[in-house]
Amino acid sequence: AQSVSQHNHHVILSEAASLELGCNYSYGGTVNLFWYVQYPGQHLQLLLKYFSGDPLVKGIKGFEAEFIKSKFSFNLRKPSVQWSDTAEYFCAVTPNTNAGKSTFGDGTTLTVKP
Amino acid sequence: KAGVTQTPRYLIKTRGQQVTLSCSPISGHRSVSWYQQTPGQGLQFLFEYFSETQRNKGNFPGRFSGRQFSNSRSEMNVSTLELGDSALYLCASSLDFAGGYEQYFGPGTRLTVT
Repeated sequence: AQSVSQHNHHVILSEAASLELGCNYSYGGTVNLFWYVQYPGQHLQLLLKYFSGDPLVKGIKGFEAEFIKSKFSFNLRKPSVQWSDTAEYFCAVTPNTNAGKSTFGDGTTLTVKP
Repeated sequence: KAGVTQTPRYLIKTRGQQVTLSCSPISGHRSVSWYQQTPGQGLQFLFEYFSETQRNKGNFPGRFSGRQFSNSRSEMNVSTLELGDSALYLCASSLDFAGGYEQYFGPGTRLTVT
């Protein structure tokens, strides 16, 4: 069975600080990896995804993530956060054979203080 | 293209009743998945449908069921509602079930069981 672990439940940063959210997964086969964001009152939106190729992927709003296969990790980063980045962030994994069955981490709530 | 739509957006039911939630995927998407989101359990996979067939089912009791129609629209049903079924139910669609496809999420149906 696959599982996803997000290391931080709640992160509080000041504007312009750098962000790194940890995500580790457990699965025996090839996976696709995702980060989703859920802004207050809005639905889940895709931030970025990794299917194959360059392990450093760039997403929307200046976010990027690095897939490290040996560590089963897919950490999310942003060099300088803004108040508008306040949201809940979810890491998700799907087996490469089944796009419709995602396993999500518990989520990390990011609060950015102006 | 219109996004994933879910109806109704809000629902209040009493224990013991049953409920049916509806999801219309993005046009052309044939895979539809359902998830339950609660503060305590996070996002949990319910089931996935492709071409009117259930491909995967999560670890939920038989009171939770679903179906998909020939136009890819999907419904999920919860019978004999319990207080613990109060949650946000999310529907997601993707082009196909195979790897390399991402899921697009709807706004969810907020179910409250009293």
